[in-house]
Amino acid sequence: GQQVMQIPQYQHVQEGEDFTTYCNSSTTLSNIQWYKQRPGGHPVFLIQLVKSGEVKKQKRLTFQFGEAKKNSSLHITATQTTDVGTYFCAGLHSGAGSYQLTFGKGTKLSVIP
Amino acid sequence: DTEVTQTPKHLVMGMTNKKSLKCEQHMGHRAMYWYKQKAKKPPELMFVYSYEKLSINESVPSRFSPECPNSSLLNLHLHALQPEDSALYLCASSQGLALNYGYTFGSGTRLTVV
Repeated sequence: GQQVMQIPQYQHVQEGEDFTTYCNSSTTLSNIQWYKQRPGGHPVFLIQLVKSGEVKKQKRLTFQFGEAKKNSSLHITATQTTDVGTYFCAGLHSGAGSYQLTFGKGTKLSVIP
Repeated sequence: DTEVTQTPKHLVMGMTNKKSLKCEQHMGHRAMYWYKQKAKKPPELMFVYSYEKLSINESVPSRFSPECPNSSLLNLHLHALQPEDSALYLCASSQGLALNYGYTFGSGTRLTVV
């Protein structure tokens, strides 16, 4: 089936450092969504990107969608302990003929105070 | 109300038991989903309902039986489960099937099969 690859699997950063997670698909995505799941919690929708080359910001978070709509990234500036959790990208491949999200494996972020 | 409510939060059941998981939303969302999440893994889609009709069944074993009594409720009936079915079961909803909308997830039911 369709896959969305996400790296890295784990990231440990010192508080105040930046963090980036990347998603990549071998085929074109219709759009991509990002979710955050805190330890012991459930996924929480962060944002959706639809247009080629789109960039969206939410405070310290910057989301990008590649020009070819095959890759995406989430960048957090100056991480805080509240950023701890697993970040998932989820995308729909064009022409899939169905409406379902394919989740990446997630990047687990640990922030050292 | 911007929440998806799932009950129970925790469930322990034997392999011969029958139980049901419940999910409720009052956001007027017309698409509802069941996901299964194992530890340290991403959510895996099980079922999709759109306008109370089953739209997608991701080859889920028949021991899992979904039901959508109305536009606000989604149930997952469990029967003769196996220990490997132990996982976090997440319900989600969205305004519609088309992916112009983010999913709202419930807090999940943590299921243990003994």
